[in-house]
Amino acid sequence: GNSVTQMEGPVTLSEEAFLTINCTYTATGYPSLFWYVQYPGEGLQLLLKATKADDKGSNKGFEATYRKETTSFHLEKGSVQVSDSAVYFCALRPNAGGTSYGKLTFGQGTILTVHP
Amino acid sequence: NAGVTQTPKFQVLKTGQSMTLQCAQDMNHEYMSWYRQDPGMGLRLIHYSVGAGITDQGEVPNGYNVSRSTTEDFPLRLLSAAPSQTSVYFCASSRGTGGDHEQYFGPGTRLTVT
Repeated sequence: GNSVTQMEGPVTLSEEAFLTINCTYTATGYPSLFWYVQYPGEGLQLLLKATKADDKGSNKGFEATYRKETTSFHLEKGSVQVSDSAVYFCALRPNAGGTSYGKLTFGQGTILTVHP
Repeated sequence: NAGVTQTPKFQVLKTGQSMTLQCAQDMNHEYMSWYRQDPGMGLRLIHYSVGAGITDQGEVPNGYNVSRSTTEDFPLRLLSAAPSQTSVYFCASSRGTGGDHEQYFGPGTRLTVT
């Protein structure tokens, strides 16, 4: 079956540090890949996505590149801010058509804390 | 648009009680899903629906029932609550074919079963 593995957390950084959160996946075919962010007390929000190999998703200074050869979708940001403190989830959605569009498989989540 | 709304925000139940978690969306989305979030396990799919009258099981369906009588609403029923169902529950919706299929999440319901 499909699975997503994220790097162990939590991650603690100082403001303006470089961020990498690793994500690897197992899936048949060519899934779409997502990063979601969850701020304290809130639901999940889509941060960025990539739907095919070598696509780069980007938003709010965050980037991730869909690497089919390494089955990875690592999240990066060059300079984090205190306001980036949140839980980050990597997820995949199979592209088998039909009902697969309603199903996401999530990684376990990585807690990021950024200190001033 | 209110997006995806969930009620209640918090709920405490005793073992064996039943209740319904409400979910509604006003975006005319075909697909709706229920997830539970547990520490260190991410979100796991409970049930999902691809349209009114059509539902199917996800990864962890035991102990939960769903129905979808309208496009807007997708309630989740706990028939006999157990402590293992203590969790945060999220409802999500997305367009079906022809859209970008991004899932939009509600704010969640935190359920404690004692």
